[in-house]
Amino acid sequence: RKEVEQDPGPFNVPEGATVAFNCTYSNSASQSFFWYRQDCRKEPKLLMSVYSSGNEDGRFTAQLNRASQYISLLIRDSKLSDSATYLCVVNNFGNEKLTFGTGTRLTIIP
Amino acid sequence: DTGVSQNPRHKITKRGQNVTFRCDPISEHNRLYWYRQTLGQGPEFLTYFQNEAQLEKSRLLSDRFSAERPKGSFSTLEIQRTEQGDSAMYLCASSFSRTEAFFGQGTRLTVV
Repeated sequence: RKEVEQDPGPFNVPEGATVAFNCTYSNSASQSFFWYRQDCRKEPKLLMSVYSSGNEDGRFTAQLNRASQYISLLIRDSKLSDSATYLCVVNNFGNEKLTFGTGTRLTIIP
Repeated sequence: DTGVSQNPRHKITKRGQNVTFRCDPISEHNRLYWYRQTLGQGPEFLTYFQNEAQLEKSRLLSDRFSAERPKGSFSTLEIQRTEQGDSAMYLCASSFSRTEAFFGQGTRLTVV
């Protein structure tokens, strides 16, 4: 089983719609969680950290469920510029590497 | 620009040649990571430094790969006797302790 698993998509979503991604992780000792965004042929860039209580940044909401070991990202009122690959990232204390999922590809359709 | 800097941006090499990549992290960051990414996959961990100490190395990293961070600042990644399967984007990232990591633009390696 992979340490971090994501549905690779692609998700093709009309502009203005709401879209949600889930990510599951296998190591219950995981402590830090992030969503990164990666545009085609570019480097990954931090979208948001994920906190235990859940957090929101504009149209983006991230949630963590430790009991079920999954992380979610919700994008409301999607824009064309949201088209990208979204990477789920997990960091474990004592094993400090950042572990990435394979990414979920999102295309917003006009 | 004070972000993570990687050089070169692109490298084309013949199979069997050695290549070296450089990464200059954000100056106050004590952690430095190397990742490899191929098309359609997420970044794959290669190795990680805290200051000058190499604390972890992926089992995926064969003996042909070596990384250094001699003074706890910039880092180099060397691949000896390159193979076609080494063709990928090599990404460097830095962070301060357990905060979020920032990536450089990567070095795209093509082995012909």
